[in-house]
Amino acid sequence: DAGITQSPRYKITETGRQVTLMCHQTWSHSYMFWYRQDLGHGLRLIYYSAAADITDKGEVPDGYVVSRSKTENFPLTLESATRSQTSVYFCASGRLSHEQYFGPGTRLTVT
Amino acid sequence: AQSVTQLGSHVSVSEGALVLLRCNYSSSVPPYLFWYVQYPNQGLQLLLKYTTGATLVKGINGFEAEFKKSETSFHLTKPSAHMSDAAEYFCAVSDRSSNTGKLIFGQGTTLQVKP
Repeated sequence: DAGITQSPRYKITETGRQVTLMCHQTWSHSYMFWYRQDLGHGLRLIYYSAAADITDKGEVPDGYVVSRSKTENFPLTLESATRSQTSVYFCASGRLSHEQYFGPGTRLTVT
Repeated sequence: AQSVTQLGSHVSVSEGALVLLRCNYSSSVPPYLFWYVQYPNQGLQLLLKYTTGATLVKGINGFEAEFKKSETSFHLTKPSAHMSDAAEYFCAVSDRSSNTGKLIFGQGTTLQVKP
């Protein structure tokens, strides 16, 4: 099916573990984004990518790593998870019109 | 730097009443403007957007918004609220001159619709 998907939808991990959140889109959009959503902060941009092999930091990149070897995939890795990274993570994709399409989100809990 | 302010983190209306959600932006050049809706446990869905042309923009589900440059505003309205409109609404802006496609979001407004 066309669209943008995220996996897993729910994840519980322990402090210090590495965890990767997956994002896949079928529209061949150039731009992809990772946000985190926390109460009181709205959505904050973690990383974004303008094309395959081009990534850049957003507002809150510390503790996160991204890669984009293929246009359709944009995984987000937490290298050593901390409790402050407990959040809901949204992936989005879009074209030059700046309109973004969001995935369903991944709810991550770090214990 | 651009910023977005949504006045009122919670808005409560009765079913059938007018919905008005306020959004103001801070930018020297009018940006692209968006409203997104988020239903519980779901991702964000685009309601409408303003890029150029007519300043009154119509979106899905009967919502519309008007860009007012003099007031740096992009308020969202719906003439008659429905129970299904209960959700969180986000205003967002994007720099016209940027090639990054980045969105700056407001803090969100939770709309409650009372029967």
